Amino acid sequence: DTGVSQNPRHKITKRGQNVTFRCDPISEHNRLYWYRQTLGQGPEFLTYFQNEAQLEKSRLLSDRFSAERPKGSFSTLEIQRTEQGDSAMYLCASTGSLGSRRVGARHTEAFFGQGTRLTVV
Amino acid sequence: QKEVEQDPGPLSVPEGAIVSLNCTYSNSAFQYFMWYRQYSRKGPELLMYTYSSGNKEDGRFTAQVDKSSKYISLFIRDSQPSDSATYLCAMSGAGGFKTIFGAGTRLFVKA
Repeated sequence: DTGVSQNPRHKITKRGQNVTFRCDPISEHNRLYWYRQTLGQGPEFLTYFQNEAQLEKSRLLSDRFSAERPKGSFSTLEIQRTEQGDSAMYLCASTGSLGSRRVGARHTEAFFGQGTRLTVV
Repeated sequence: QKEVEQDPGPLSVPEGAIVSLNCTYSNSAFQYFMWYRQYSRKGPELLMYTYSSGNKEDGRFTAQVDKSSKYISLFIRDSQPSDSATYLCAMSGAGGFKTIFGAGTRLFVKA
């Protein structure tokens, strides 16, 4: 499978615990995005990376959240001291590749993973 | 006011019907407009992508963008039960990142 892969698919954790999710993007994609989606809502942007550089973070990403993409390949999203309000689907997406004459267009064609569903009890 | 407004539905139609899904937006900087389909407990899947105003057709799907009215539409012809899903509109500015999504419209196509 050459799509975006996310692990784990489901995570149940007790309030106050730390959790870490992993995303493996499509290998030739240089941009990687994290979104959060709650029931009945569309995905909300959290952060994005171009290669290993984290270029933008949403105000939704409190100081309990941290994301890394150390080698410009896979990425991790960590939530410290989880709260019940953190319960959501966390989606990863990747886009584009440099060198295309349609770079601008390619970077809008995001391919999403299946998501990690977090439940904080 | 949200940047992107989308009626959450649900929308229920008989098989074979033409479905019309719509979104409005407030940010005139949006230039790229997308429609995603999301099945239950799955990630969104890109259906249609349009740059600026105009129409785009792909099989049974037609996307329309009217930037002057800040209004986008997705039409599904000859709808099938397998089209039952949540349809998300999405849009982004010139950089192409930080895509903003609508809340999604749940569509049910009855056999």
